[in-house]
Amino acid sequence: QVQLQESGPGLVKPSQTLSLTCTVSGGSITSGPYYWSWLRQPAGKGLEWIGRLYISGGTNSNPALRSRVTISGDTSKNRFSLEVNSVMAADTAVYFCARENSQDYYFDIWGQGTLVTVSS
Amino acid sequence: DIQMTQSPSSLSASVGDKVTITCRASQSISTYLNWYQHKPGTAPRLLIFDASSLQSGVPSRFSASGSGTDFSLTISSLHPEDFASYYCQQSYSVPPTFGPGTKVEI
Repeated sequence: QVQLQESGPGLVKPSQTLSLTCTVSGGSITSGPYYWSWLRQPAGKGLEWIGRLYISGGTNSNPALRSRVTISGDTSKNRFSLEVNSVMAADTAVYFCARENSQDYYFDIWGQGTLVTVSS
Repeated sequence: DIQMTQSPSSLSASVGDKVTITCRASQSISTYLNWYQHKPGTAPRLLIFDASSLQSGVPSRFSASGSGTDFSLTISSLHPEDFASYYCQQSYSVPPTFGPGTKVEI
């Protein structure tokens, strides 16, 4: 079955760039009908959608974060990545990657999440 | 963005209880509403999509209904493994948005 696993540094300094990777096993990021998404959850708060990668390689992101977010895919390694630049304390959160059904727009498979703390 | 609200924010219940959680959207979203279960340190789990469709592998004690702006998730008889947080999510428009969650506690 398809599994997703997030990886990346757990600590990032303010003003620097947060970089995470989601490795997909058991399925290909080039097969539909799916998108590949990033979401996050600050401690004690709700889930926030960050953005998605389309199988075409295009992306879309939350307008609230769009100016700081880059999402990309590496089909040779079957993984996709997230970069958030100019991070601040408010970016501290558990970050999840997820598979999104592109017909009905629900997130049917998630990674376990990885905590990223922004602190000097 | 479409705002999602949930009630209650938390509830205490016992094994065997029937529990209902409600979710409201700030505008009509037809049936573009999904429900998730989440336990700390684990991957969130899709329970319901399209307001009332049970995801494969999810026990039939979970059911949901609603359309427009008002939705509900019902657990007919709580099992020990059901103690978790539950989130609704609208998939009507971008960005997809989530409710603040309902924590079901013993």
